[in-house]
This record gives sequence, C-alpha cells and structure tokens, in this order.
Amino acid sequence: AQKVTQAQTEISVVEKEDVTLDCVYETRDTTYYLFWYKQPPSGELVFLIRRNSFDEQNEISGRYSWNFQKSTSSFNFTITASQVVDSAVYFCALSEAGVTTDSWGKLQFGAGTQVVVTP
Amino acid sequence: GAVVSQHPSWVICKSGTSVKIECRSLDFQATTMFWYRQFPKQSLMLMATSNEGSKATYEQGVEKDKFLINHASLTLSTLTVTSAHPEDSSFYICSASLPLGSGAKNIQYFGAGTRLSVL
Repeated sequence: AQKVTQAQTEISVVEKEDVTLDCVYETRDTTYYLFWYKQPPSGELVFLIRRNSFDEQNEISGRYSWNFQKSTSSFNFTITASQVVDSAVYFCALSEAGVTTDSWGKLQFGAGTQVVVTP
Repeated sequence: GAVVSQHPSWVICKSGTSVKIECRSLDFQATTMFWYRQFPKQSLMLMATSNEGSKATYEQGVEKDKFLINHASLTLSTLTVTSAHPEDSSFYICSASLPLGSGAKNIQYFGAGTRLSVL
C-alpha cells in the first residue's frame, strides 16, 4: 500500500510566485518522521526539512515553510517567491519508528512533484 | 551537513560484465547506508539496507546475488551489479544516516548517484 502520496505530478509557475506542494501520508506508527527532499536535474537528492510526529509546529526557514497537520495526515511544503533555481523534483518521504513495522530508518518516498519555474 | 560521496557518477559497460559502485561518508561514520534505484521520471525505490559488519537486508523482489552489497567499514559501502544486462540500466543512489544519538537522527544524506548504462 502506498504510504506517501504526492498527487501533483507537475507544477509550473512564473518566477516570484509561491508554490505549494501537497503530501499525504499513511502510517500506523505513532512515532515517525516526515521529510522533504529536492532533486535538481543533476540527480543528487538534497535534504530540505524534517519533522517528527510529535511536533506539529509549523515553521518558516528562509523561503521554505511547511504545514504539518496530523489530523489530515498531511505535510505540505511551500516555496515563497520562487526562483528559477528552485526548478527540480521535490519528494516527500516518511520514516517510521518501526514500532509496528520493521521499517525503522527506511525512507518511503512519494512519487515526486516536478516544479518548473520560468523567468 | 554530512557529505556522502558516490563513485563513479556515470558508467557504461558491456552486457555480462560486473560493475562496482562505491558510497562513502566523508565526514561522519555511517553504521547504516541505503541503496536505491531510480528509473526515469519515477521515484526512488529502496533496494537494500547496508549495515556495517553484517549482511545487507534486501527489499522484496531485489535479487541478492545480482546486487551484491558490502559494508566493510563505517565509511564505505559498495554495490556490485553482477553480470549486468540492459534491464539493469538505471540511476543508482546511495544514502547514509548519522548514528543514533546524533541530533540529525533519521536524516539520510544522499550521494550524487551513479548512472549505469549497460550495452
């Protein structure tokens, strides 16, 4: 069963527009971690943010912000004032604590959302 | 952040030959490393979890004899694709996580990936 769902396949915006990426997850563990990674055309995955299941405080880090809501099992990610360099595939990922599964430490990725920012 | 080096970045080989891919954690010791495979326009698929000093744990459907993993030291894991065939052509990515007890537990840091083309 798919545990991380990124329904948006591709989002195209013009520079300086905001971009919000949706992520819905599924887990039976009460302790888990959620991540956002960026994969530019070069291929390397870049870690962006991590959130644990006990911390629903939403924060802003530079142009990045995230909205974690356990009630809806969502972990959305926003890029404010997008730039061309933000063009990449963005992956949402889940890591379970392994209390009810043997998956501790493993990352389960969503399908990814391609973000295209044009000048 | 932690740095993971992966080598080579690109390899072309003839069908039937074996290819070795190295994954090194440059500034930290990684007791656990992960190997992923990614097809074009798709998400990352976990192949195996590599634990230093013990046998790798393979995901369901991944051939152990085909994809040999060795994690001989705390900074190096290798993936050998044995008797490669064109269907093995893909993008292989490794990652390493910081040890338990570090503040960045569960964050995986990724190498730049290896693009394998089997002729």
